[in-house]
Amino acid sequence: KAGVTQTPRYLIKTRGQQVTLSCSPISGHRSVSWYQQTPGQGLQFLFEYFSETQRNKGNFPGRFSGRQFSNSRSEMNVSTLELGDSALYLCASSFLGGLETQYFGPGTRLLVL
Amino acid sequence: DQQVKQNSPSLSVQEGRISILNCDYTNSMFDYFLWYKKYPAEGPTFLISISSIKDKNEDGRFTVFLNKSAKHLSLHIVPSQPGDSAVYFCAASHGSGNTGKLIFGQGTTLQVKP
Repeated sequence: KAGVTQTPRYLIKTRGQQVTLSCSPISGHRSVSWYQQTPGQGLQFLFEYFSETQRNKGNFPGRFSGRQFSNSRSEMNVSTLELGDSALYLCASSFLGGLETQYFGPGTRLLVL
Repeated sequence: DQQVKQNSPSLSVQEGRISILNCDYTNSMFDYFLWYKKYPAEGPTFLISISSIKDKNEDGRFTVFLNKSAKHLSLHIVPSQPGDSAVYFCAASHGSGNTGKLIFGQGTTLQVKP
């Protein structure tokens, strides 16, 4: 069965722009979570979607938003990009949201210039 | 405020010896802890977990120990193999069913030398 896929894998943007990242979960999985990984802060939880509804949210500003579609695919949007948004963005999917059964994608590397 | 801390950014051990990775947490509400392994260019992979009602959980070469009074957990890998070389993250949560409350440490890079 195919794993979690994320597109694009690499992205370069400039400050002030916006970006949309996509995550396709494993078939049948209904929960998608997003994380930001930076050298200074490590892995930080952004939000989780389950059946098209945001179920949990981390401590990120409103510039970070997401959504989930009826096929469980999820998108994450960052508006008004800042240099500090440069990071690896990971998504993870699971059937119901169970932590042990959470599978991560390879991530999207975003560089903001 | 770092609620989950991995104070050693890196660790190097010889093949066949024991690797001990440490993790400290500050929030006494955490009741479920997990370890993930991450290779370059891949997402983290779940390794082993432990509930706060236990003090030890073992899975093959991997054992996690939890000391609630010290708010400390450790991952032991015995014997260490070169393929274990990766970044290891510990994570903490309220309850195993709630994905959204995973708080990660900053990771420890383990190098196992042949």
